[in-house]
Amino acid sequence: GQSLEQPSEVTAVEGAIVQINCTYQTSGFYGLSWYQQHDGGAPTFLSYNGLDGLEETGRFSSFLSRSDSYGYLLLQELQMKDSASYFCAVNSGGYQKVTFGIGTKLQVIP
Amino acid sequence: DSGVTQTPKHLITATGQRVTLRCSPRSGDLSVYWYQQSLDQGLQFLIQYYNGEERAKGNILERFSAQQFPDLHSELNLSSLELGDSALYFCASSEANTENSPLHFGNGTRLTVT
Repeated sequence: GQSLEQPSEVTAVEGAIVQINCTYQTSGFYGLSWYQQHDGGAPTFLSYNGLDGLEETGRFSSFLSRSDSYGYLLLQELQMKDSASYFCAVNSGGYQKVTFGIGTKLQVIP
Repeated sequence: DSGVTQTPKHLITATGQRVTLRCSPRSGDLSVYWYQQSLDQGLQFLIQYYNGEERAKGNILERFSAQQFPDLHSELNLSSLELGDSALYFCASSEANTENSPLHFGNGTRLTVT
């Protein structure tokens, strides 16, 4: 089966940088995705890492180390609107089974 | 707007009853996923369909079943409902033609079992 671990809550100051870590155990690993979910809303796709290394998309970056079964999401220049839950998700299987972690609730404070 | 439509938005029903949740995927997406999200819980994977066929199964109870129809819309059937089934049920769709095809989520159906 699949299992993912990420911190349940993180608090950071507006304008700062925050890193949300994710470790996983899975068979048939293809890649690691990150999703954002605001309270009461639908999850939205942020990024995907299929290979080791860093992927950058604006203020957000995501990193993957396949050998360590580890990844992280880096959010820079935090804004109040970044307050949300962030989920790492493992893509596995030939038809893209996607299993989510429990999510990290990020609170950005002034 | 993700392009994924879920109906109804809210559903209130009694224990022991049966309900059907409906999902219309984004145009062109062949794969449909169902997830359950309880209060302060993560997204629990239930089941995935690809072009009408079941492709992956997660922690789906025997009281729950799903199918994907030829027009690619999907239905999730929940029967013999219990209080613990109260949750937000999300449908997502993807092209699923590459390993990094993102999932596009609908706004969910909030089920309350009383």
